[in-house]
Amino acid sequence: GENVEQHPSTLSVQEGDSAVIKCTYSDSASNYFPWYKQELGKRPQLIIDIRSNVGEKKDQRIAVTLNKTAKHFSLHITETQPEDSAVYFCAARGGADGLTFGKGTHLIIQP
Amino acid sequence: GAVVSQHPSWVICKSGTSVKIECRSLDFQATTMFWYRQFPKQSLMLMATSNEGSKATYEQGVEKDKFLINHASLTLSTLTVTSAHPEDSSFYICSAITGGWYQPQHFGDGTRLSIL
Repeated sequence: GENVEQHPSTLSVQEGDSAVIKCTYSDSASNYFPWYKQELGKRPQLIIDIRSNVGEKKDQRIAVTLNKTAKHFSLHITETQPEDSAVYFCAARGGADGLTFGKGTHLIIQP
Repeated sequence: GAVVSQHPSWVICKSGTSVKIECRSLDFQATTMFWYRQFPKQSLMLMATSNEGSKATYEQGVEKDKFLINHASLTLSTLTVTSAHPEDSSFYICSAITGGWYQPQHFGDGTRLSIL
């Protein structure tokens, strides 16, 4: 089955700086890679996703890059703000399968 | 659009009780629903995939006789935790896809289950 590794587990950045979270996956058949933001006790919220036929996608301050050859994808958040503090999960999926999540990154934005 | 409603949001019950959790797609038909479990400070783990009108597919290590899944219609899937014990206490979240392999999963609000 799919295995998704996520790093770092905790990331602390100064407000206004950029944050980068990296994930690797094992199954070359995976073709959909979403990123979720989860606040304590709440549902995961999709913040951006990318398909395997695309190398990069951007939405305002958030961007995701995908390297299919190396089987890794990254989340980039620029100009971080206090409200960006949360736990972020990467995930991978092939076909109609359920998502395999990474272990999560606790992002802390220091004022 | 693409709203998934999950009930109840919080359940506290005694050990040995069976608990049913409902997951409904309110404004779309969900051919496939997924059930995840999340222990405190951990990631979401896929438990099973539920397809309308057919038996659920369980992930390795998930007991199908303990976690009964029914997907009787295109808008409703239920998860029943049978004879629940304290170690079953967790956050259970369902999600649904509208169709198409690249479509995002829409998550319910989750159910926090506490077994005393």
